[in-house]
Amino acid sequence: EAGVTQSPTHLIKTRGQQATLRCSPISGHTSVYWYQQALGLGLQFLLWYDEGEERNRGNFPPRFSGRQFPNYSSELNVNALELEDSALYLCASSRQGAYNEQFFGPGTRLTVL
Amino acid sequence: DQQVKQNSPSLSVQEGRISILNCDYTNSMFDYFLWYKKYPAEGPTFLISISSIKDKNEDGRFTVFLNKSAKHLSLHIVPSQPGDSAVYFCAAASGGSYIPTFGRGTSLIVHP
Repeated sequence: EAGVTQSPTHLIKTRGQQATLRCSPISGHTSVYWYQQALGLGLQFLLWYDEGEERNRGNFPPRFSGRQFPNYSSELNVNALELEDSALYLCASSRQGAYNEQFFGPGTRLTVL
Repeated sequence: DQQVKQNSPSLSVQEGRISILNCDYTNSMFDYFLWYKKYPAEGPTFLISISSIKDKNEDGRFTVFLNKSAKHLSLHIVPSQPGDSAVYFCAAASGGSYIPTFGRGTSLIVHP
């Protein structure tokens, strides 16, 4: 069974640009979660999607947004990039309601110059 | 304000010895606790969990202890193996918040 996949592996952008990160969940999983892991910090919850709807949002500005597609894959968009957005962005998926059983992808390393 | 704290950024242990990773939490609403392990260039993988109705959960070499009165949990790895070298994240969740809150992680190095 394929795990959670994320693309790209690495992404380099400059300040003010937009970044788009993609995530494909495990087959059968309908929930997708996005986390940010900045250097030296734990995983900070960003967004939770289930069945195409945004279910919960962490304490991040509106320039962090996303969506979930009918096939349950998801996109995270970060607009007006700032230097402090440089981080590892992790996507996780779970079966519906099984928010305590999240399976993580390898992450996308975003570097903002 | 950190609700889940892992105060030791790193821990070094000899192979065969016990590794003890600690985690403290401040939110008394947390009722479910998890440990994740993360290798470089990989996402975190679930290791073990414990519900607040228990004070111990064991899975092979891994045991998690929960002290609710002290708002403290610990992960014991016995015996430690070099392959256990990774970053360990403690996480806590409650029925109301749904989403686990993660600590900053402890980097465990097990020396051969």
